[in-house]
Amino acid sequence: GESVGLHLPTLSVQEGDNSIINCAYSNSASDYFIWYKQESGKGPQFIIDIRSNMDKRQGQRVTVLLNKTVKHLSLQIAATQPGDSAVYFCAEKIGFQKLVFGTGTRLLVSP
Amino acid sequence: DTAVSQTPKYLVTQMGNDKSIKCEQNLGHDTMYWYKQDSKKFLKIMFSYNNKELIINETVPNRFSPKSPDKAHLNLHINSLELGDSAVYFCASSQGQRDEQYFGPGTRLTVT
Repeated sequence: GESVGLHLPTLSVQEGDNSIINCAYSNSASDYFIWYKQESGKGPQFIIDIRSNMDKRQGQRVTVLLNKTVKHLSLQIAATQPGDSAVYFCAEKIGFQKLVFGTGTRLLVSP
Repeated sequence: DTAVSQTPKYLVTQMGNDKSIKCEQNLGHDTMYWYKQDSKKFLKIMFSYNNKELIINETVPNRFSPKSPDKAHLNLHINSLELGDSAVYFCASSQGQRDEQYFGPGTRLTVT
């Protein structure tokens, strides 16, 4: 069935550390994956995406890794800052424009 | 400039009432969506419209009726509200074959 899940519901890190948020997906036919950040009281905000023909994609302080063999996705945030504190969602595209979201991981950054 | 806007931001109503949530996007996108986020933060798609046509209709009670008067607007009308309808509803939009969806700020619906 369709499911996208996360291993860690809450991740606590110190400011300046690197953070890694993991996600497992179940649909091997998915060809597009996306990470969103949701701050309290706000809508999800795009962070970075990756297509299935890639293994890695880098943005500003963020990197997404895709392992299609084990159907695993991860988001790495370098030099985590307090402003990075939020809930992070992975999502996979199934069919035309349909995103299936994971359950979310809360990232807590301590100063 | 607000890209995707929703009104109202908060909506408190009693069971059995009928209410509407409005969504507008000024990004020129041709596809719009409604998502429901429950108390556990789980985000699930409800509907999607492309060029005013319904293309995704998940397993949603028929008390929920989306309406798209034009490409820039997608409203959600809910009849006979129930306690279980309490959630945050997000509107989103995207353009053509681009997969990235832009989300609105959400409408927190509380049914008492």
